[in-house]
Amino acid sequence: DTEVTQTPKHLVMGMTNKKSLKCEQHMGHRAMYWYKQKAKKPPELMFVYSYEKLSINESVPSRFSPECPNSSLLNLHLHALQPEDSALYLCASSAPRAGDQETQYFGPGTRLLVL
Amino acid sequence: GENVEQHPSTLSVQEGDSAVIKCTYSDSASNYFPWYKQELGKRPQLIIDIRSNVGEKKDQRIAVTLNKTAKHFSLHITETQPEDSAVYFCAASMGSGGGADGLTFGKGTHLIIQP
Repeated sequence: DTEVTQTPKHLVMGMTNKKSLKCEQHMGHRAMYWYKQKAKKPPELMFVYSYEKLSINESVPSRFSPECPNSSLLNLHLHALQPEDSALYLCASSAPRAGDQETQYFGPGTRLLVL
Repeated sequence: GENVEQHPSTLSVQEGDSAVIKCTYSDSASNYFPWYKQELGKRPQLIIDIRSNVGEKKDQRIAVTLNKTAKHFSLHITETQPEDSAVYFCAASMGSGGGADGLTFGKGTHLIIQP
């Protein structure tokens, strides 16, 4: 399996809802990432997990809460989001190599609409 | 942090002609430079990457060059075809933090291949 999968594909939520995005990979990668991509913009890094530990948090608001239950799974828990959080949320994974960066493979994304 | 500039924002070329997209980066510690192609509604897909110990890399119609001294890298696509039409993103990474550093993307180039 050489793919990163994400569920759901689409999500509509109200500002008071709690929802979760899920990402899964079975490539044995030990680094996983969350990016946010607004329309006609590049992906922006949100979080990095390396060996199931949070290694980078790009000053993301606390209404976004990442979780890495095991080496194959990455979740993003959403609570009290704002309409401006509507975007495509992309997960990626790579095989970390000390002092270097391996190819990041992206999932298809979850398109989130906050009403 | 790293800053990646990408030009042009839109590039229109005749089918069969070559296309060149240029990027500059700010942090001399960056050592990994991938290029992603993103079609409308799809995930970013890696098309080629280069590391700082290499000056040029080629894969069929696609080539990337890197000038570490000037801190710029370029994507070259020869014999363009209609299926090359997409948004292309350059990116940079330092590969620190155990090799899971996240990518900083340029703003993207919308490549249009005119038949």
